[in-house]
Amino acid sequence: DTGVSQDPRHKITKRGQNVTFRCDPISEHNRLYWYRQTLGQGPEFLTYFQNEAQLEKSRLLSDRFSAERPKGSFSTLEIQRTEQGDSAMYLCASSLETSSEKLFFGSGTQLSVL
Amino acid sequence: AQSVAQPEDQVNVAEGNPLTVKCTYSVSGNPYLFWYVQYPNRGLQFLLKYITGDNLVKGSYGFEAEFNKSQTSFHLKKPSALVSDSALYFCAVRDTTLGSARQLTFGSGTQLTVLP
Repeated sequence: DTGVSQDPRHKITKRGQNVTFRCDPISEHNRLYWYRQTLGQGPEFLTYFQNEAQLEKSRLLSDRFSAERPKGSFSTLEIQRTEQGDSAMYLCASSLETSSEKLFFGSGTQLSVL
Repeated sequence: AQSVAQPEDQVNVAEGNPLTVKCTYSVSGNPYLFWYVQYPNRGLQFLLKYITGDNLVKGSYGFEAEFNKSQTSFHLKKPSALVSDSALYFCAVRDTTLGSARQLTFGSGTQLTVLP
């Protein structure tokens, strides 16, 4: 079990640039989640996939955010025209459908928008 | 709507003493409740969950939590704290009412420091 991996670990970008993050879930997990965490707060749900289907999106996910999981394996989260308020830790998690409340989290991608 | 409150940002306890990290929740129906732990530079790790049944649930690393429906609480406990338990702890809830949000809502976290 190699766990959930996220790339990159850190990303610094200028306001207005586009960024893309990648998440590789645990191989047999068919559910994949994206959360966002800011300092002093708990993770906030953004979106989740079951296999390749995106089943739920939070209202936090503005139209500048898009997530994909094209083959039901890895996922990407893209933020277009980044804003300083997008600075946060972006967490990916995966789970089995049969045990969907037990999430396995990656270490996250820390985004800093200057 | 579902919500979680962790009233203490910081809890300090001496090694060997019992520890409690508090959590209260609000849901429309019956809750699923969870505790996760976050160590520095590591992802959140699942500790334990309450779904149904016995109000006292046992989890990883000697932790346990007690579900109290009348007080809408799910406090995390350990009889004897270790320095290695020092970490950030998150309580989470999911409402099981039909039509409610299916995703976990996390509290803001409690930093536990165990002093040697």
